[in-house]
Amino acid sequence: DGGITQSPKYLFRKEGQNVTLSCEQNLNHDAMYWYRQDPGQGLRLIYYSQIVNDFQKGDIAEGYSVSREKKESFPLTVTSAQKNPTAFYLCASSKTGQGSYEQYFGPGTRLTVT
Amino acid sequence: DQQVKQNSPSLSVQEGRISILNCDYTNSMFDYFLWYKKYPAEGPTFLISISSIKDKNEDGRFTVFLNKSAKHLSLHIVPSQPGDSAVYFCAASEVSKAAGNKLTFGGGTRVLVKP
Repeated sequence: DGGITQSPKYLFRKEGQNVTLSCEQNLNHDAMYWYRQDPGQGLRLIYYSQIVNDFQKGDIAEGYSVSREKKESFPLTVTSAQKNPTAFYLCASSKTGQGSYEQYFGPGTRLTVT
Repeated sequence: DQQVKQNSPSLSVQEGRISILNCDYTNSMFDYFLWYKKYPAEGPTFLISISSIKDKNEDGRFTVFLNKSAKHLSLHIVPSQPGDSAVYFCAASEVSKAAGNKLTFGGGTRVLVKP
């Protein structure tokens, strides 16, 4: 049963702590993405990776870091430098190449920082 | 600068009637457009897409129309069902090596279908 898993579903952290969100996919997709959704807003791209060991900043990368050591995994670290980390975080994956625009999303992780 | 805009934050429609969701874009390099449906606390799910070489794509109750000259697309859902109540996102992709497979999303439209 192919898909994308994100864990945990809910995450609580104290201000000043780094936290890592997990994203795993078994769809054999080359590309993976991290988005953030705030209440009443759309999805904003944080980071994306089109191939293992390579990734690019999205529109709102400040305060975040990622790694892509394996094709299946694309963890996101929310650092203490991120000023407003409380949000709903979504991971997605897709094929690459011509005509491969559809992205498949995981269930999301809601991070609350107090 | 918001390149993809959904100007109607919410829409209420009677069950059985048509729901029309609108989306405008500014980047003329966008050439592929997608609609996603999202329930609260879940990830978006893909609904339907359209390439810029077409002006209409239909899949069951869902039809997407593209007007390239106006940089406008719309999603029609007919007939609307209570299970269609969700937030709908419009997304656009630019085909270039630099852009990769990035999608740019609109802000979403919340649809409520009343029984």
